[in-house]
Amino acid sequence: AQKITQTQPGMFVQEKEAVTLDCTYDTSDPSYGLFWYKQPSSGEMIFLIYQGSYDQQNATEGRYSLNFQKARKSANLVISASQLGDSAMYFCAMRGTREAGTALIFGKGTTLSVSS
Amino acid sequence: DGGITQSPKYLFRKEGQNVTLSCEQNLNHDAMYWYRQDPGQGLRLIYYSQIVNDFQKGDIAEGYSVSREKKESFPLTVTSAQKNPTAFYLCASSIRATPSYEQYFGPGTRLTVT
Repeated sequence: AQKITQTQPGMFVQEKEAVTLDCTYDTSDPSYGLFWYKQPSSGEMIFLIYQGSYDQQNATEGRYSLNFQKARKSANLVISASQLGDSAMYFCAMRGTREAGTALIFGKGTTLSVSS
Repeated sequence: DGGITQSPKYLFRKEGQNVTLSCEQNLNHDAMYWYRQDPGQGLRLIYYSQIVNDFQKGDIAEGYSVSREKKESFPLTVTSAQKNPTAFYLCASSIRATPSYEQYFGPGTRLTVT
């Protein structure tokens, strides 16, 4: 069965510092996508970054980068130069061809708190 | 503006009543999904639809029903058979049901049943 594991329930970082949020996954599907979403206290889910299983390079989107290590089945999110507005819940998710409707499988999330 | 709308944002119902949550998208996406989120948890799939007039059960479909009569609309009914209906419900859509496309989410509906 496909599974996403996020082992950090909470992370604390100061403004302008970089932070890494961990994510490991388990799948036997050769074709899959890895996603990170941000969920502020308002509840909306905001798409941050995507990495395909066949992509050779790590994905980057502005201050977000995804450290993809396929052999270790990890897809860590790196946020550079943290801002107060980055305080939120962060979810790692996977989408594969073998899951029902290729729906997203989510981890339990990591709460990030950024302080000044 | 293109996007997904869910209404209402907050919904209160008495136990034993059915309630329907609205989800509309104007992104021209083929695939639509309903997820449930409980406090401190990730999202779990309730139902999905890859095409109009077709939908399939997800991991936790018991006590829920859906319809997909139009491409833009995918309403979710929480029936009285759902044992723990109080939760945050999120609707999502995707251009296609393939791994390389992200899912876009609506703002969610918080349902409280007492």
